[in-house]
Amino acid sequence: DAGVIQSPRHEVTEMGQEVTLRCKPISGHDYLFWYRQTMMRGLELLIYFNNNVPIDDSGMPEDRFSAKMPNASFSTLKIQPSEPRDSAVYFCASSLLSRGGIDYGYTFGSGTRLTVV
Amino acid sequence: SQKIEQNSEALNIQEGKTATLTCNYTNYSPAYLQWYRQDPGRGPVFLLLIRENEKEKRKERLKVTFDTTLKQSLFHITASQPADSATYLCALDSGNQFYFGTGTSLTVIP
Repeated sequence: DAGVIQSPRHEVTEMGQEVTLRCKPISGHDYLFWYRQTMMRGLELLIYFNNNVPIDDSGMPEDRFSAKMPNASFSTLKIQPSEPRDSAVYFCASSLLSRGGIDYGYTFGSGTRLTVV
Repeated sequence: SQKIEQNSEALNIQEGKTATLTCNYTNYSPAYLQWYRQDPGRGPVFLLLIRENEKEKRKERLKVTFDTTLKQSLFHITASQPADSATYLCALDSGNQFYFGTGTSLTVIP
């Protein structure tokens, strides 16, 4: 398996533009997580899905952020409109938490570095 | 509010010594605690998980302890090597999700 795949690796956009980040989880994993990482706040959980269903989106900072998981192999995180304070590294992670998979932890993608100017 | 604290200062140690990193938490009662390694420009990589009823867990040169009374986990790397230089993150579970500390940067000096 190629691991969790995120695209793009880097994104530079102007304030007010729409940004879409993409994630392909590991096949067979039943949980998918979106995190944001900054120097000041570390890794913050934004939202997570179980079997493609959003379970907890309380970490989504505001209505400008939305996430979808239309099927087991694809998820998107969208920011519209983007603002400079959204600049961060966004990570997607997947896991097999059911069926004893917790011992294997989360598998993270390489992240998308977003810069909003 | 819930809080996870790791060594705020970067840790520099000599090659061959044991590195000890600390993770303290408040207002959590985690059933699991995980440790991850993160290299610059990469996502965190899972290292170890310890359960609340386990005092200690080992994997090769790594050892993790979990003291639910002190609300603390210690992460040890024995016989440290320059390749161990990275940021190490602890993560605590709350339901089906894990919350991460801000990490400790470790540098092993040859």
